[in-house]
Amino acid sequence: DIQMTQSPSILSASVGDTVTITCRASRGVSTWLAWYQLKPGNAPRLLIYHASTLESGVPSRFSGSGSGAEFTLTISSLQPDDFASYYCQQYTSHYTFGQGTKLEIK
Amino acid sequence: QMHLQESGPGLLKPSETLSLTCSVSGGSVSDYYWNWMRQLPGGGLEWLGYISYSGSTNYNPSLETRVSISIDTSRNQVSLSLTSVTATDTAIYFCASAGGPYYFSHLWGRGALVTVSS
Repeated sequence: DIQMTQSPSILSASVGDTVTITCRASRGVSTWLAWYQLKPGNAPRLLIYHASTLESGVPSRFSGSGSGAEFTLTISSLQPDDFASYYCQQYTSHYTFGQGTKLEIK
Repeated sequence: QMHLQESGPGLLKPSETLSLTCSVSGGSVSDYYWNWMRQLPGGGLEWLGYISYSGSTNYNPSLETRVSISIDTSRNQVSLSLTSVTATDTAIYFCASAGGPYYFSHLWGRGALVTVSS
């Protein structure tokens, strides 16, 4: 299986900051990568698919980039609602997820 | 707007079978593929398997001897069965819709917490 390594595991930031989360695949996945936001008690939310395509309804402060084995999720001008956990997922061979990044308020 | 709701017993004993149902409203199970995932207590997400609208399935190799997914188009539901559970199967279980096999999951349910304890 393809292993996904996400960093950092915990990210402390303030409202208004710009943050970047990195996801690395153990082998190339082209652009078959998605990013999800998880909050306790809520349905997980698709943010980005095909590495850089913004899901409908997701604010434009979220952006994704990368291809092959290295990807990033950038959140610009953090809002209070953005403090959550974020996961990458490859969908080229079975499905595997990164271990997650918890974005917490500094 | 389609909505997914997972339901089923929240507490199981070791060796029992986990059975969960994903009820779909505002859309048809016949229009999508359906994934089941779980979030383990440490936060990690694990894919369990998927079923197509026609009933073909694919499972995570690490679980395929214990997992089964079915679809009931008449009830607009998708079901998950996991046999011989142990404490390591304690997790939040999610269903999610996808546009095809090995595709991103565009809509998820809120999840159902299942605890395995004697």
